[in-house]
Amino acid sequence: GENVEQHPSTLSVQEGDSAVIKCTYSDSASNYFPWYKQELGKRPQLIIDIRSNVGEKKDQRIAVTLNKTAKHFSLHITETQPEDSAVYFCAASSKAAGNKLTFGGGTRVLVKP
Amino acid sequence: GAVVSQHPSWVICKSGTSVKIECRSLDFQATTMFWYRQFPKQSLMLMATSNEGSKATYEQGVEKDKFLINHASLTLSTLTVTSAHPEDSSFYICSARWSNEKLFFGSGTQLSVL
Repeated sequence: GENVEQHPSTLSVQEGDSAVIKCTYSDSASNYFPWYKQELGKRPQLIIDIRSNVGEKKDQRIAVTLNKTAKHFSLHITETQPEDSAVYFCAASSKAAGNKLTFGGGTRVLVKP
Repeated sequence: GAVVSQHPSWVICKSGTSVKIECRSLDFQATTMFWYRQFPKQSLMLMATSNEGSKATYEQGVEKDKFLINHASLTLSTLTVTSAHPEDSSFYICSARWSNEKLFFGSGTQLSVL
């Protein structure tokens, strides 16, 4: 089955700096890669996603890049703000696996004011 | 759009009792819903896939007789933790698939078994 590795597990950045989270996946058939943000005690919120036919996608301060050959994808947050502090999860899925999402281990991001 | 409602948000029960958790897609129909379990400071672990009108598909290591899933309609899936024990205490969270790929999550249920 699919295996998703996520790094780093914790990330502390100064407000205004950029944050980068990296994930690798094992199943070359995976074709959908969402990112979720989860605040303490709350539900994961979909913040951005990318499909395998696209190399990069941007939404305001958030961007995701995908390298299919290397089987890795990354989340970039620019101009970080304290409200960006949360746990971020990457995930991967493929139609062959019934579109089940496999999640990475999560990255705890702390933005220091 | 794409709102998923989950109830209750928290429940405390005695060991040996059963607890039912409901997951509803409020503004869309979901033929497939997923149930996850999340331990503190850990990732989401898929327990089972709930399919409307058919039996749920359980992940390896998840006891189907322990975690009963019923997906009776296109907007409702329920998870019943039967004969709950303290080790079943966890954060349970459902999700529903929207537009064939995007997954939206319910608010989660914190279960504490005494």
